[in-house]
Amino acid sequence: DIQMTQSPSTLSASIGDRVTITCRASQSISSWLAWYQHKPGKAPKLLIYKASSLESGVPSRFSGSGSGTEFTLTISSLQPDDFATYYCQQYNNLWTFGQGTKVEIK
Amino acid sequence: EVQLVESGGGLVQPGGSLRLSCAASGFTFINYWMHWVRQVPGEGLVWLSRINSDGSSILYADSVKGRFTISRDNSQNTLYLQMNSLRAEDTAVYFCARAARDGYNRDLGYFDYWGQGTLVTVSS
Repeated sequence: DIQMTQSPSTLSASIGDRVTITCRASQSISSWLAWYQHKPGKAPKLLIYKASSLESGVPSRFSGSGSGTEFTLTISSLQPDDFATYYCQQYNNLWTFGQGTKVEIK
Repeated sequence: EVQLVESGGGLVQPGGSLRLSCAASGFTFINYWMHWVRQVPGEGLVWLSRINSDGSSILYADSVKGRFTISRDNSQNTLYLQMNSLRAEDTAVYFCARAARDGYNRDLGYFDYWGQGTLVTVSS
């Protein structure tokens, strides 16, 4: 099974901050990685697929990079609507999620 | 507008059964593979099962294999998850999700729409 490890688990940041979340795969997954945003009581929302492709309708302040085993999600300027939990997901072999990164208000 | 609405959650005793439903609208349901994912309170997302368009190809996570059954009724635009022999550790919010497809109707692997989830509590 492919394990996905995100860091940090919690991140405190202010409006306008640049935020970076890291996701590491236990083996190479090429670029078969997605990022989701999840708020309590809501449906998770797709942000990024294939490691760096921005889903239609997602603000351009979100970006993804990486390949193989190391990936990052960057929010260039944190907005009030961005406080949420973020998950990476590999879909190279079945589907596995990272444990999540909660972005909190500093 | 794509909508996925889960239902059927509730309180069930250990060893009991429950059937979850996911009503789909706003898209041609029969064209899409579908998934179930759960989230234990305070923890992350865990993939459970996938079914292809006509139900002929099904995958399960080891944690639910033999206890849970995924199915679909394309005439009713509904996805199901039959859960048997429930345990306390199955307590979670259960989400259905749609698998993304390209213009050639090929599955892309990631999930482009999700429902809001339904809570299942297994407790005596």
